[in-house]
Amino acid sequence: EVQLVESGGGLVQPGGSLRLSCAASGFTFSSYAMNWVRQAPGKGLEWVSSIDESGEIRTYADSVRGRFTVSRDNSKNTLYVQLNSLRAEDTAIYYCVKQYVDLWGQGTLVTVSS
Amino acid sequence: DIQMTQSPSTLSASVGDRVTITCRASESINRWLAWYQQRAGKVPKLLIYKASSLQSGVPSRFSGSGSGTEFTLTISSLQPDDSATYYCQQYYTYPWTFGQGTKVEIK
Repeated sequence: EVQLVESGGGLVQPGGSLRLSCAASGFTFSSYAMNWVRQAPGKGLEWVSSIDESGEIRTYADSVRGRFTVSRDNSKNTLYVQLNSLRAEDTAIYYCVKQYVDLWGQGTLVTVSS
Repeated sequence: DIQMTQSPSTLSASVGDRVTITCRASESINRWLAWYQQRAGKVPKLLIYKASSLQSGVPSRFSGSGSGTEFTLTISSLQPDDSATYYCQQYYTYPWTFGQGTKVEIK
């Protein structure tokens, strides 16, 4: 089955860290760039980060640059994002999204609160 | 960054009505435009990609058109199941950007 499955979300205090994972299956993961998109409660969609097929080219939204780091392991068909220095405004559902937007995961909730 | 502006923000229509949502990009995005439907508490569902290509499994009452900076999503005959928020998104260049959403309500 073609799918993306995120994990790693949870409750974290401001300033804390979390690593999210996205396991891909059913397609050739190493052939596609991948992205993280988030949605704060009751808000719209916001692109967070992308990584190219090889993992060499990474781009970030201004709101997370310097705090988040995207990576991938093509041998494990898995996408990651390391979230550091978390703020309340980072509270959101985080989705991984395949290049060409045709596949989204179910999302994982990150809540930043004391 | 490319700004995506959707209109209207909300609309209320009756079952069977033809509904049109507009999305404008601040610069040309060729046809790299997607439309999503998001029901409350659910994952965004891809309806249309490349401006006018219907995603597999999506009812044919949904259609998309446009290129460059002006795009539309049309629901030819609104159904009760179509009550949701609809988003447009450009994936022509990074950062990907989304419209602010259009909430569709059934009268």
